[in-house]
Amino acid sequence: KAGVTQTPRYLIKTRGQQVTLSCSPISGHRSVSWYQQTPGQGLQFLFEYFSETQRNKGNFPGRFSGRQFSNSRSEMNVSTLELGDSALYLCASSGTSGIYGYTFGSGTRLTVV
Amino acid sequence: QQQVKQSPQSLIVQKGGISIINCAYENTAFDYFPWYQQFPGKGPALLIAIRPDVSEKKEGRFTISFNKSAKQFSLHIMDSQPGDSATYFCAASINTGTASKLTFGTGTRLQVTL
Repeated sequence: KAGVTQTPRYLIKTRGQQVTLSCSPISGHRSVSWYQQTPGQGLQFLFEYFSETQRNKGNFPGRFSGRQFSNSRSEMNVSTLELGDSALYLCASSGTSGIYGYTFGSGTRLTVV
Repeated sequence: QQQVKQSPQSLIVQKGGISIINCAYENTAFDYFPWYQQFPGKGPALLIAIRPDVSEKKEGRFTISFNKSAKQFSLHIMDSQPGDSATYFCAASINTGTASKLTFGTGTRLQVTL
């Protein structure tokens, strides 16, 4: 079966702009979680969506937001980009087993210049 | 309280040797401890996981050792192979049933040499 698909794979944006990243989960998975990966901070939890509802949220500023659609696809948005937002953004999908069944996508590499 | 500390930051092991990566945690409410393997350009992939009611779990060449009293757990890779060269992350989680997240260690870059 198809894995978790994240688009685009690479993005270059300018400070102050906003960006939207997309994640298509494995078919049948209803939970999508987002993580930010940087060399300095490692992998940090952003938020989790389940059946179109945000279930859990990490310690990120309000510039980071997300949503989930009825087909379980999820988007995350970062507004007013800062240089420090440059990172690999990963999404993970899972079925009813939650974190026990995480499958990560290959990520979107965002570079802010 | 949510932090997971991982060491070493990098590790070089000869082919056939044993790779050992250690993690320590503070929050005694953590109840799930997975290890993830990440290759360049890919997302992390679950390698092996353990619950705190078990002291050791083995899957092939990979073993997790868990010491609840010391709040430490480690990954042992036996007979390390060049194909094991990757970054390894330990993680921990509190599963509240309806909402959960993983807290990751900072990662260990493993290089297995010939």
